[in-house]
Amino acid sequence: EPEVTQTPSHQVTQMGQEVILRCVPISNHLYFYWYRQILGQKVEFLVSFYNNEISEKSEIFDDQFSVERPDGSNFTLKIRSTKLEDSAMYFCASSRRLDNEQFFGPGTRLTVL
Amino acid sequence: GESVGLHLPTLSVQEGDNSIINCAYSNSASDYFIWYKQESGKGPQFIIDIRSNMDKRQGQRVTVLLNKTVKHLSLQIAATQPGDSAVYFCAEKSGYSSASKIIFGSGTRLSIRP
Repeated sequence: EPEVTQTPSHQVTQMGQEVILRCVPISNHLYFYWYRQILGQKVEFLVSFYNNEISEKSEIFDDQFSVERPDGSNFTLKIRSTKLEDSAMYFCASSRRLDNEQFFGPGTRLTVL
Repeated sequence: GESVGLHLPTLSVQEGDNSIINCAYSNSASDYFIWYKQESGKGPQFIIDIRSNMDKRQGQRVTVLLNKTVKHLSLQIAATQPGDSAVYFCAEKSGYSSASKIIFGSGTRLSIRP
């Protein structure tokens, strides 16, 4: 069964450093998403991406965040200058259509020291 | 405003019994609701969904009930098994076919007593 994959599973970084979280969505999916989950809290929407552009973003997704689909398979989330409060699980998701089920990856745990 | 919340943070159920997890929402414009299961160390996994033009939907061992009058959603799991242990999130979208973001509730941790 096809699934969303994410790398790395755990990323540790120093405050102020740039990180890139990587995702490989399901191959025939057209819509891509990033969510985050701070430990013990709810899953929060960050951004959705379709046709090589952002279609919706939350107020969490400020200028420090960017997304890119650098090739036909990868979907990345970049945090330019990490802050302590960026520590969280980051989930990538994809869907075939906008009104289809979103399939989530296993997440990347980001720890900012 | 956007708010999806859960009544209880934890629920303990005897193996074999039925589980009922409840959720309240505040946005009257919400027209699509989803239940997700999240096991430890994994991402949310879709369980079942329901659109606002329905009040009940059944899947395999799971049933979702929607009461739009009181803005209440519930997930019923029949004959709860150890593998059902997880955190369960209700979630909603406003604009089923046009909105992309899913708004998650806080989660209920379901534990199973042997």
